[in-house]
Amino acid sequence: DSGVTQTPKHLITATGQRVTLRCSPRSGDLSVYWYQQSLDQGLQFLIQYYNGEERAKGNILERFSAQQFPDLHSELNLSSLELGDSALYFCASSFSEGLAGETQYFGPGTRLLVL
Amino acid sequence: AQTVTQSQPEMSVQEAETVTLSCTYDTSESNYYLFWYKQPPSRQMILVIRQEAYKQQNATENRFSVNFQKAAKSFSLKISDSQLGDTAMYFCAFMALSYSGGGADGLTFGKGTHLIIQP
Repeated sequence: DSGVTQTPKHLITATGQRVTLRCSPRSGDLSVYWYQQSLDQGLQFLIQYYNGEERAKGNILERFSAQQFPDLHSELNLSSLELGDSALYFCASSFSEGLAGETQYFGPGTRLLVL
Repeated sequence: AQTVTQSQPEMSVQEAETVTLSCTYDTSESNYYLFWYKQPPSRQMILVIRQEAYKQQNATENRFSVNFQKAAKSFSLKISDSQLGDTAMYFCAFMALSYSGGGADGLTFGKGTHLIIQP
Protein backbone atom coordinates (compact mmCIF):
# COMPACT_ATOMS: atom_id res chain seq x y z
CA ASP A 1 0.00 0.00 0.00
CA SER A 2 1.62 3.25 -1.19
CA GLY A 3 -0.55 5.52 0.97
CA VAL A 4 -2.04 7.20 -2.11
CA THR A 5 -5.77 6.67 -2.47
CA GLN A 6 -7.88 7.00 -5.57
CA THR A 7 -11.63 6.84 -6.01
CA PRO A 8 -13.51 5.35 -7.65
CA LYS A 9 -11.69 2.13 -8.56
CA HIS A 10 -13.84 1.56 -11.60
CA LEU A 11 -16.00 3.89 -13.66
CA ILE A 12 -18.22 3.04 -16.61
CA THR A 13 -19.81 5.85 -18.54
CA ALA A 14 -21.00 6.83 -22.00
CA THR A 15 -19.49 8.95 -24.72
CA GLY A 16 -20.08 12.66 -24.28
CA GLN A 17 -20.31 12.43 -20.51
CA ARG A 18 -18.16 14.07 -17.84
CA VAL A 19 -16.48 12.31 -14.92
CA THR A 20 -14.34 13.31 -11.95
CA LEU A 21 -11.54 11.20 -10.57
CA ARG A 22 -10.30 11.86 -7.07
CA CYS A 23 -6.88 11.40 -5.50
CA SER A 24 -5.59 11.82 -1.96
CA PRO A 25 -1.79 11.97 -1.71
CA ARG A 26 0.34 10.34 0.97
CA SER A 27 0.37 12.17 4.25
CA GLY A 28 2.90 15.00 4.01
CA ASP A 29 3.23 14.95 0.22
CA LEU A 30 2.62 18.25 -1.52
CA SER A 31 2.84 17.20 -5.18
CA VAL A 32 0.24 15.28 -7.12
CA TYR A 33 0.82 13.91 -10.60
CA TRP A 34 -1.76 12.43 -12.97
CA TYR A 35 -0.92 9.75 -15.52
CA GLN A 36 -2.94 7.89 -18.14
CA GLN A 37 -2.19 4.28 -19.09
CA SER A 38 -3.79 3.01 -22.28
CA LEU A 39 -3.00 0.23 -24.72
CA ASP A 40 -2.39 2.72 -27.53
CA GLN A 41 -0.34 5.37 -25.76
CA GLY A 42 1.23 3.48 -22.89
CA LEU A 43 1.87 5.46 -19.70
CA GLN A 44 1.65 9.20 -20.25
CA PHE A 45 2.15 12.10 -17.87
CA LEU A 46 -0.82 14.44 -17.86
CA ILE A 47 -0.30 17.16 -15.27
CA GLN A 48 1.34 18.01 -11.94
CA TYR A 49 0.17 20.16 -9.07
CA TYR A 50 2.32 21.32 -6.19
CA ASN A 51 0.74 22.80 -3.08
CA GLY A 52 -2.32 23.91 -5.01
CA GLU A 53 -0.53 25.37 -8.02
CA GLU A 54 -0.13 23.84 -11.47
CA ARG A 55 3.58 22.99 -11.91
CA ALA A 56 3.97 21.03 -15.12
CA LYS A 57 1.83 19.97 -18.02
CA GLY A 58 2.25 16.91 -20.19
CA ASN A 59 0.03 15.42 -22.85
CA ILE A 60 -3.22 16.55 -21.32
CA LEU A 61 -6.14 17.14 -23.67
CA GLU A 62 -8.08 20.40 -23.51
CA ARG A 63 -11.17 18.38 -22.54
CA PHE A 64 -9.32 17.35 -19.36
CA SER A 65 -8.63 19.58 -16.39
CA ALA A 66 -7.37 19.15 -12.88
CA GLN A 67 -7.06 21.01 -9.63
CA GLN A 68 -5.54 20.56 -6.20
CA PHE A 69 -7.48 21.70 -3.20
CA PRO A 70 -6.24 23.31 0.06
CA ASP A 71 -6.33 19.91 1.80
CA LEU A 72 -4.02 18.73 -1.04
CA HIS A 73 -6.38 16.22 -2.57
CA SER A 74 -6.69 16.49 -6.31
CA GLU A 75 -9.40 15.93 -8.87
CA LEU A 76 -9.05 15.14 -12.55
CA ASN A 77 -12.04 16.15 -14.63
CA LEU A 78 -12.63 14.47 -17.97
CA SER A 79 -15.36 15.91 -20.20
CA SER A 80 -16.91 15.17 -23.59
CA LEU A 81 -15.63 11.64 -23.17
CA GLU A 82 -14.65 9.60 -26.19
CA LEU A 83 -14.11 5.88 -26.59
CA GLY A 84 -10.38 6.51 -26.74
CA ASP A 85 -10.38 7.98 -23.24
CA SER A 86 -10.90 4.49 -21.83
CA ALA A 87 -7.79 3.87 -19.77
CA LEU A 88 -6.31 3.39 -16.33
CA TYR A 89 -5.74 6.75 -14.68
CA PHE A 90 -3.07 6.91 -12.01
CA CYS A 91 -2.40 9.53 -9.44
CA ALA A 92 1.05 9.72 -7.87
CA SER A 93 2.40 11.89 -5.09
CA SER A 94 5.78 13.08 -3.88
CA PHE A 95 7.00 15.23 -1.04
CA SER A 96 8.15 18.27 -2.97
CA GLU A 97 7.83 19.62 -6.50
CA GLY A 98 10.17 17.08 -8.02
CA LEU A 99 13.31 19.12 -8.41
CA ALA A 100 15.29 16.56 -6.45
CA GLY A 101 13.95 13.66 -8.47
CA GLU A 102 12.23 12.26 -5.43
CA THR A 103 10.22 9.09 -5.78
CA GLN A 104 6.66 9.31 -6.95
CA TYR A 105 4.33 6.93 -5.13
CA PHE A 106 1.45 5.68 -7.22
CA GLY A 107 -2.13 5.06 -6.22
CA PRO A 108 -4.03 1.94 -7.31
CA GLY A 109 -5.57 3.73 -10.29
CA THR A 110 -9.08 4.36 -11.57
CA ARG A 111 -10.13 2.21 -14.49
CA LEU A 112 -12.36 4.22 -16.83
CA LEU A 113 -14.44 2.53 -19.49
CA VAL A 114 -16.26 4.71 -21.98
CA LEU A 115 -19.01 2.94 -23.91
CA ALA B 1 11.49 16.03 -25.53
CA GLN B 2 12.71 12.88 -23.88
CA THR B 3 12.18 9.37 -25.17
CA VAL B 4 12.63 6.05 -23.40
CA THR B 5 13.02 2.82 -25.35
CA GLN B 6 12.62 -0.68 -24.00
CA SER B 7 13.51 -3.04 -26.82
CA GLN B 8 12.34 -6.28 -25.21
CA PRO B 9 8.52 -6.53 -25.19
CA GLU B 10 8.63 -9.85 -23.35
CA MET B 11 11.18 -12.02 -21.57
CA SER B 12 10.88 -15.38 -19.88
CA VAL B 13 13.40 -17.00 -17.52
CA GLN B 14 13.47 -19.84 -15.03
CA GLU B 15 13.14 -19.22 -11.33
CA ALA B 16 16.49 -18.47 -9.63
CA GLU B 17 18.10 -17.30 -12.88
CA THR B 18 19.48 -13.82 -13.46
CA VAL B 19 17.80 -11.61 -16.02
CA THR B 20 18.68 -8.21 -17.47
CA LEU B 21 16.10 -5.80 -18.87
CA SER B 22 17.31 -3.16 -21.31
CA CYS B 23 16.46 0.51 -21.44
CA THR B 24 17.87 3.37 -23.47
CA TYR B 25 16.84 6.99 -23.37
CA ASP B 26 17.39 10.13 -25.34
CA THR B 27 17.61 13.59 -23.82
CA SER B 28 19.43 16.87 -24.14
CA GLU B 29 19.03 17.56 -20.44
CA SER B 30 22.02 17.31 -18.15
CA ASN B 31 20.15 16.88 -14.87
CA TYR B 32 17.82 13.93 -14.64
CA TYR B 33 16.82 10.84 -12.72
CA LEU B 34 16.06 7.33 -13.90
CA PHE B 35 13.69 4.81 -12.41
CA TRP B 36 12.48 1.26 -12.83
CA TYR B 37 8.88 0.62 -11.86
CA LYS B 38 7.20 -2.77 -11.62
CA GLN B 39 3.54 -3.35 -12.46
CA PRO B 40 2.28 -6.78 -11.35
CA PRO B 41 -1.09 -8.16 -12.47
CA SER B 42 -2.74 -6.08 -9.74
CA ARG B 43 -1.80 -3.02 -11.88
CA GLN B 44 -0.20 -1.25 -8.92
CA MET B 45 2.91 0.74 -9.93
CA ILE B 46 5.76 -0.09 -7.54
CA LEU B 47 9.16 1.59 -7.51
CA VAL B 48 11.97 -0.93 -7.92
CA ILE B 49 15.04 1.28 -8.07
CA ARG B 50 16.14 4.87 -8.63
CA GLN B 51 19.34 6.35 -10.08
CA GLU B 52 20.60 9.91 -9.99
CA ALA B 53 22.32 10.78 -13.27
CA TYR B 54 25.06 12.74 -11.50
CA LYS B 55 26.11 9.66 -9.53
CA GLN B 56 28.55 7.30 -11.19
CA GLN B 57 27.87 4.49 -8.75
CA ASN B 58 25.16 2.10 -9.89
CA ALA B 59 22.13 1.82 -7.63
CA THR B 60 21.39 -1.48 -5.87
CA GLU B 61 18.35 -2.65 -3.94
CA ASN B 62 18.68 -6.21 -2.65
CA ARG B 63 18.34 -8.50 -5.72
CA PHE B 64 17.88 -5.55 -8.08
CA SER B 65 20.74 -3.55 -9.54
CA VAL B 66 21.25 -1.26 -12.48
CA ASN B 67 23.97 -0.76 -15.05
CA PHE B 68 23.93 2.96 -15.77
CA GLN B 69 26.02 4.04 -18.74
CA LYS B 70 25.50 7.80 -19.05
CA ALA B 71 27.50 8.32 -22.22
CA ALA B 72 25.61 5.54 -23.96
CA LYS B 73 22.31 6.69 -22.41
CA SER B 74 21.64 3.19 -21.22
CA PHE B 75 19.99 2.09 -17.97
CA SER B 76 19.52 -1.66 -17.67
CA LEU B 77 17.99 -3.53 -14.74
CA LYS B 78 19.46 -6.77 -13.47
CA ILE B 79 17.37 -9.09 -11.33
CA SER B 80 19.34 -11.78 -9.53
CA ASP B 81 17.92 -15.01 -8.12
CA SER B 82 14.60 -14.30 -9.83
CA GLN B 83 11.44 -15.30 -7.99
CA LEU B 84 7.91 -16.10 -9.13
CA GLY B 85 6.74 -12.85 -7.55
CA ASP B 86 8.98 -10.92 -9.94
CA THR B 87 6.57 -11.73 -12.77
CA ALA B 88 5.29 -8.33 -13.89
CA MET B 89 5.56 -5.54 -16.43
CA TYR B 90 8.69 -3.51 -15.86
CA PHE B 91 8.80 0.11 -16.93
CA CYS B 92 11.89 2.24 -17.31
CA ALA B 93 11.19 5.90 -16.58
CA PHE B 94 13.01 9.20 -16.94
CA MET B 95 12.51 12.49 -15.17
CA ALA B 96 14.27 15.61 -16.38
CA LEU B 97 14.82 18.46 -13.97
CA SER B 98 13.79 21.09 -16.44
CA TYR B 99 13.05 24.55 -15.20
CA SER B 100 11.16 25.56 -18.32
CA GLY B 101 7.82 24.78 -16.76
CA GLY B 102 8.65 26.22 -13.38
CA GLY B 103 9.54 22.84 -11.94
CA ALA B 104 10.31 19.28 -12.86
CA ASP B 105 8.34 17.50 -15.56
CA GLY B 106 6.56 14.24 -14.93
CA LEU B 107 7.94 10.82 -15.62
CA THR B 108 8.46 9.69 -19.21
CA PHE B 109 7.95 5.94 -19.46
CA GLY B 110 9.07 3.30 -21.89
CA LYS B 111 6.58 0.83 -23.36
CA GLY B 112 7.51 -1.80 -20.82
CA THR B 113 8.93 -5.32 -20.74
CA HIS B 114 6.69 -8.17 -19.67
CA LEU B 115 8.87 -10.43 -17.52
CA ILE B 116 7.67 -13.96 -16.85
CA ILE B 117 9.40 -16.09 -14.25
CA GLN B 118 8.82 -19.79 -14.91
CA PRO B 119 8.79 -22.29 -12.02
